Amino acid sequence: QSVLAQPPSVSGAPGQRVTISCTGSNSNIGGSSDVHWYRQRPGTAPKLLISGNSNRPSGVPDRFSGSKSGTSASLAITGLQAEDEADYYCQSYDSSLSGVIFGGGTKLTVL
Amino acid sequence: QLQLQESGPGLVKPSETLSLTCTVSGGSISSSSYYWGWIRQPPGKGLEWIGSIYYSGSTYYNPSLKSRVIISVDTSKNQFSLKLSSVTAADTAVYYCAKSRGGVSAASDPWGQGTLVTVSS
Repeated sequence: QSVLAQPPSVSGAPGQRVTISCTGSNSNIGGSSDVHWYRQRPGTAPKLLISGNSNRPSGVPDRFSGSKSGTSASLAITGLQAEDEADYYCQSYDSSLSGVIFGGGTKLTVL
Repeated sequence: QLQLQESGPGLVKPSETLSLTCTVSGGSISSSSYYWGWIRQPPGKGLEWIGSIYYSGSTYYNPSLKSRVIISVDTSKNQFSLKLSSVTAADTAVYYCAKSRGGVSAASDPWGQGTLVTVSS
């Protein structure tokens, strides 16, 4: 069981909007630790999508956005495309564990 | 453009020590505020942080692996390394190296392509 809880799977049709949640606790997300989001396509390394809760690195389309509230964070993807089909992971830092933690990952299927 | 590349044996016997090296190109491993980390992913499973190191040698380890992990840095070769001792089949995974900027808790970017290490006799 991951310290950060993500839904195992989400799906959406092309053009639609989907959100992926990442739920933690007061020792990580709720304790002011930043949340970062990664996309991982099969057989490839994770790629940074969102850093510091809501910041998009250069080159990441504005269809991707991140937010954080209380002990949870969310990744939203608008204008869903077939190429968005991948696994998505959230990451934060846990002060009780004194270490970096990842969510269990969410598989996004584009219908 | 900074690039990272993992290297090392793809097969390690149970109870032995797994050793991997990450070579950094396109930039200096001694750049201030950069932290260098190792993350692994067992086949079909999620990501697990192993630990990180600052170029000065300060290290930060996952508490669940701390007793078996050593991460070191060689600034003369622009490399950092991972040693994981007493491995078992549960340590079979793709091992990634990555850079984070500003602290251990910062986002990791970029990542190496990853290298599969299988623990088997």
